[in-house]
Amino acid sequence: GAVVSQHPSWVICKSGTSVKIECRSLDFQATTMFWYRQFPKQSLMLMATSNEGSKATYEQGVEKDKFLINHASLTLSTLTVTSAHPEDSSFYICSARGTRDSRYEQYFGPGTRLTVT
Amino acid sequence: GESVGLHLPTLSVQEGDNSIINCAYSNSASDYFIWYKQESGKGPQFIIDIRSNMDKRQGQRVTVLLNKTVKHLSLQIAATQPGDSAVYFCAEINQTGANNLFFGTGTRLTVIP
Repeated sequence: GAVVSQHPSWVICKSGTSVKIECRSLDFQATTMFWYRQFPKQSLMLMATSNEGSKATYEQGVEKDKFLINHASLTLSTLTVTSAHPEDSSFYICSARGTRDSRYEQYFGPGTRLTVT
Repeated sequence: GESVGLHLPTLSVQEGDNSIINCAYSNSASDYFIWYKQESGKGPQFIIDIRSNMDKRQGQRVTVLLNKTVKHLSLQIAATQPGDSAVYFCAEINQTGANNLFFGTGTRLTVIP
C-alpha cells in the first residue's frame, strides 16, 4: 500500500526559532500534498494544499509567511513553522495524493508533535 | 470550510457489541465520504468510503450508510473489539475546487472488555 512518512515524529523547540517538518511519499509519486493541524481533542484542520512545483494554497486564516510550504519534488513536501510560539504547539499531519490513485484517495502520514517552549 | 459534525463526542460499548457512530454533513454537493480511525499520537487510518450514488457499503466488520436526504452518515462496527478503541472521523470531499478533505469533529470510541 501507499506509505507516507514524516520526520521528525516529535520536536521541541524554543519560542522564536523555526522548525522544519518533512513529509515523504515512500512508494508513490505525490502530485498533491496536504498539511493539517490538530489540537488536542480536536479534529484535523486543513492548513494548505500544495502541488509539486507550484505555490501552496492556504486555507483561510492560515498565515502563509508563518507556515512555509515547499513541494519541490513528487515525493517530498516540507512545512516550516517560522518564529514558532507556544500557540503553534500542535500535531501536524501531512497527507499525499498520487498520480496512480483515484482523484479522491489520500494517504496520511503518522504526524509530527511540535512543542514550543 | 465545510461543516461536517458528529452527534456524539464519546461512545462506550461492551466488547462484542455492535457500535454505531453518526455524522452529519452540510454540503449537499459533496460526492464522496470517508471514515477514518485515529489512534492516539498517530495519523488517520482509512476505514471505508462511500460515494454519493450509493447508500450502503460494507467492508470487513464495518458498514457505512449514507442518507443524502437528511445529509447523514453512519459507521457501524460489528462485534467491536478492544483494538477498535480510537477516535473516528468522518470526512467529506467537496467536489468543487481541489477536492480537499474536510473532517468532522470526531467521536471517541471506548471498548469495555
